[in-house]
Amino acid sequence: AQTVTQSQPEMSVQEAETVTLSCTYDTSESDYYLFWYKQPPSRQMILVIRQEAYKQQNATENRFSVNFQKAAKSFSLKISDSQLGDAAMYFCAYYGYNQGGKLIFGQGTELSVKP
Amino acid sequence: DTGVSQDPRHKITKRGQNVTFRCDPISEHNRLYWYRQTLGQGPEFLTYFQNEAQLEKSRLLSDRFSAERPKGSFSTLEIQRTEQGDSAMYLCASSLEGGGASTDTQYFGPGTRLTVL
Repeated sequence: AQTVTQSQPEMSVQEAETVTLSCTYDTSESDYYLFWYKQPPSRQMILVIRQEAYKQQNATENRFSVNFQKAAKSFSLKISDSQLGDAAMYFCAYYGYNQGGKLIFGQGTELSVKP
Repeated sequence: DTGVSQDPRHKITKRGQNVTFRCDPISEHNRLYWYRQTLGQGPEFLTYFQNEAQLEKSRLLSDRFSAERPKGSFSTLEIQRTEQGDSAMYLCASSLEGGGASTDTQYFGPGTRLTVL
């Protein structure tokens, strides 16, 4: 069965600095999607970034970028120029075509941003 | 595009009562998903629909849980004879399967927080 692991329950970053959140996953599929979602306290889960496994180029969205290492089954999220509004729980998620449509989530990493 | 909406946002009930939640997906999305999230954990899949057909149910979805999407638009999730262990956030998400660059990306609603006393 596919699993997603986020080994950092909590991370902290100084405002304007860069932070990297780690995610590893286990799968036997060759084609899949990976996502990072952000869930601020008591607020809605929103999509941060998405990566298709067949694409070698790492996805970027403004200050957010990923380091996708398919062979290592690693998918880390880099947040540059961190802002106070980046403070949230971040979830890594896997979507495989053989998974019946469901996302498989990691346990989450709680990011705090210090002013 | 108004996003995924859920109603109610909060529900407090007594053990043994039945509750029903509603989810309205993004209008053109043909897939609708239900997840359950307990405090400090990632969401866990419950079930999903493609149009009005329920295509998969997790083993987490006991026989006390039932979901419907009668016309392929909104969906309801009913929990019968609630138990304290049902207390959680119930999240709905929708996606468009089969077209465009955003295919297979799930967009989440704000959730319904259920507290069973």
